[in-house]
Amino acid sequence: EVQLVESGGDLVKPGGSLRLSCAVSGFTFTTAWMSWVRQAPGKGLEWVGRIKSNTDGGTTDYAAPVKGRFIISRDDSINRLYLQLNSLKTEDTAVYYCSIMEYTSSWHFDYWGLGTLVTVSS
Amino acid sequence: SYELTQPPSVSVSPGQTASITCFGDKLGNKYVCWYQQKPGQSPVLVIYHDSKRPSGIPERFSGSNSGNTATLTISGTQAMDEADYYCQAWDSSTVVFGGGTKLTVL
Repeated sequence: EVQLVESGGDLVKPGGSLRLSCAVSGFTFTTAWMSWVRQAPGKGLEWVGRIKSNTDGGTTDYAAPVKGRFIISRDDSINRLYLQLNSLKTEDTAVYYCSIMEYTSSWHFDYWGLGTLVTVSS
Repeated sequence: SYELTQPPSVSVSPGQTASITCFGDKLGNKYVCWYQQKPGQSPVLVIYHDSKRPSGIPERFSGSNSGNTATLTISGTQAMDEADYYCQAWDSSTVVFGGGTKLTVL
């Protein structure tokens, strides 16, 4: 059974930093492309960014609102995905989901975690 | 930046057909996915590659995409289908989600 478990969400002040973690099991993590998606309270889904597998270069892409502030990384030795959040703003308040991307004719988000809540407030 | 537009809400009677649209410039040239999200739960993929259903998704869910509009159709809608639905596409190397549609089964 595929499981994704996010952790690290917390209350943080504007301008602060936080690191989220996503533990993956039941899936071949080393070849997986991974994404972070967030959802502000009562709002829709917003893609944060993606990291390719290291075998495909390990490169990252980010949504415009977080580019230059957030960093996605991975540790294949322990099947973990990370999201470093820097220079946090109140509008970054959201539940952050990690997701496994799968390619079956096209890329889509096949598996999702339960999410971890980040609250940015003074 | 690329945008996907969905109606905020759609209502349907049980057993009837619900159609949820997603509009984007030349959307038919991209592949569209659809996700279902129930309150307090994570999203679930219900349609990918415009019209393909993942295993475990009921046959009453179908999708199409042409021109500027993608459509998620739920035939014989059931009370359990009441949820928020999001369309999603790729633009260059970034992902775009629609704003979501709340489906109410009255």
